[in-house]
Amino acid sequence: EPEVTQTPSHQVTQMGQEVILRCVPISNHLYFYWYRQILGQKVEFLVSFYNNEISEKSEIFDDQFSVERPDGSNFTLKIRSTKLEDSAMYFCASSDPKKQGGLETQYFGPGTRLLVL
Amino acid sequence: AQRVTQPEKLLSVFKGAPVELKCNYSYSGSPELFWYVQYSRQRLQLLLRHISRESIKGFTADLNKGETSFHLKKPFAQEEDSAMYYCALKRSYNTDKLIFGTGTRLQVFP
Repeated sequence: EPEVTQTPSHQVTQMGQEVILRCVPISNHLYFYWYRQILGQKVEFLVSFYNNEISEKSEIFDDQFSVERPDGSNFTLKIRSTKLEDSAMYFCASSDPKKQGGLETQYFGPGTRLLVL
Repeated sequence: AQRVTQPEKLLSVFKGAPVELKCNYSYSGSPELFWYVQYSRQRLQLLLRHISRESIKGFTADLNKGETSFHLKKPFAQEEDSAMYYCALKRSYNTDKLIFGTGTRLQVFP
C-alpha cells in the first residue's frame, strides 16, 4: 500500500539556521498539508497546498516558513531562520478525494522530529 | 473558532472492559468528525469517520449534534488497542485542514 514518506526522520539544528523538511506524498495525490506537534501538545495545522498554490495557512505559518513542490514527487517545508520554539514533530499529509469516493482521507507521513538548539 | 476537546489525557482499562474515549467539539456549521489513531512507533492513521457510520476494529462513534460530541466506544478492549487516539474535525466535507484534539492515551492491561 502506498505511503507518505518523510526525510529526515530526525534533524538537529542551531537556532537561526535554515532547515528543509522533505515529504514524498502518495503518487497522484493532489492535496498536501503540513502539520506540527510540539511535545505534549496537539497536532496543529500549518499549511495546505493545491495546484502549486497555498490554499490556507495558519497563524503559525509566518514569513519564516515556505512550502514548495519542486518536482512531481517532493513537497518541502522550509524554515528560513529556526527558533527554539520551532522544535516539534512535523507531519506531512496528502489526499485525493476523487480516488476516495469524494470523501477526503488525509494520509500522514511518519514525521520529522526537529530539534532547535 | 473551531475547537476539539478530549478531556482525558490517559485512560487505563483491563482487557475485556468497555472503553469510551470522549470528544467534544465546538463549531457552528456542519463538521465532519474523525478519530485518528497512532500506535507505538507508527504514523497517524484514520480509524473512522462519522459519515461512514461503520465499526472499525470493534470501535464505533456516533455524532451527537445536540451535545456536540463524538465519543469513541468499544465494548471489549483488547491489548492491541493500546495507542494514542486523536479526535479531529473538518469544517466541511471537502478538502480542508484537520483540527485535532490533544489526544487520549489508551492503555489496556492484560
